[in-house]
Amino acid sequence: SAVISQKPSRDICQRGTSLTIQCQVDSQVTMMFWYRQQPGQSLTLIATANQGSEATYESGFVIDKFPISRPNLTFSTLTVSNMSPEDSSIYLCSVEDWVNYGYTFGSGTRLTVV
Amino acid sequence: GQQVMQIPQYQHVQEGEDFTTYCNSSTTLSNIQWYKQRPGGHPVFLIQLVKSGEVKKQKRLTFQFGEAKKNSSLHITATQTTDVGTYFCALFSTDSWGKLQFGAGTQVVVTP
Repeated sequence: SAVISQKPSRDICQRGTSLTIQCQVDSQVTMMFWYRQQPGQSLTLIATANQGSEATYESGFVIDKFPISRPNLTFSTLTVSNMSPEDSSIYLCSVEDWVNYGYTFGSGTRLTVV
Repeated sequence: GQQVMQIPQYQHVQEGEDFTTYCNSSTTLSNIQWYKQRPGGHPVFLIQLVKSGEVKKQKRLTFQFGEAKKNSSLHITATQTTDVGTYFCALFSTDSWGKLQFGAGTQVVVTP
């Protein structure tokens, strides 16, 4: 199954600033998924990123706040823009595992906004 | 979209005891997946169930898919401290390809 390298693992940011999170996959994948996990909560899908096209955002998430890039089939970034304390969460990327039929997740980015 | 209810939200287990967590849906599911997230970790895929009445085992973990494909369960026997974490069920959204919808999760705490 795919291996995902996600960076940074954690960060503490000032409100009003932006943070870009990177995910590098060791194999080519068609779709990459970005999730948010608020403290003590389940995972919520932010958007699906396809190479060569704009990301598809879920209800409640907008491109201006969470711009996504997908320059090739192994890499994607998620930016959390103009951050507020409410953005403090764990952000995770994910790809399909075509061997085991599940999904593989990156190790997550634990973001704290102060 | 489809909704899945996961119960209990919290489970405190004595080491050596068994426990079960359940996922229930009001609609028929095409399949269901289970994930485990250790404290401070990321979700790790455990299993996918597809067939009506399917039962799969992974060592002390037994996964079941209901006959009507509207519910699923994860049963752990002889709980160990390594079983600590949150267990999520997840299902594919009918809205778009590849989109997973996660249950609320069952947080498991094991007392030695």
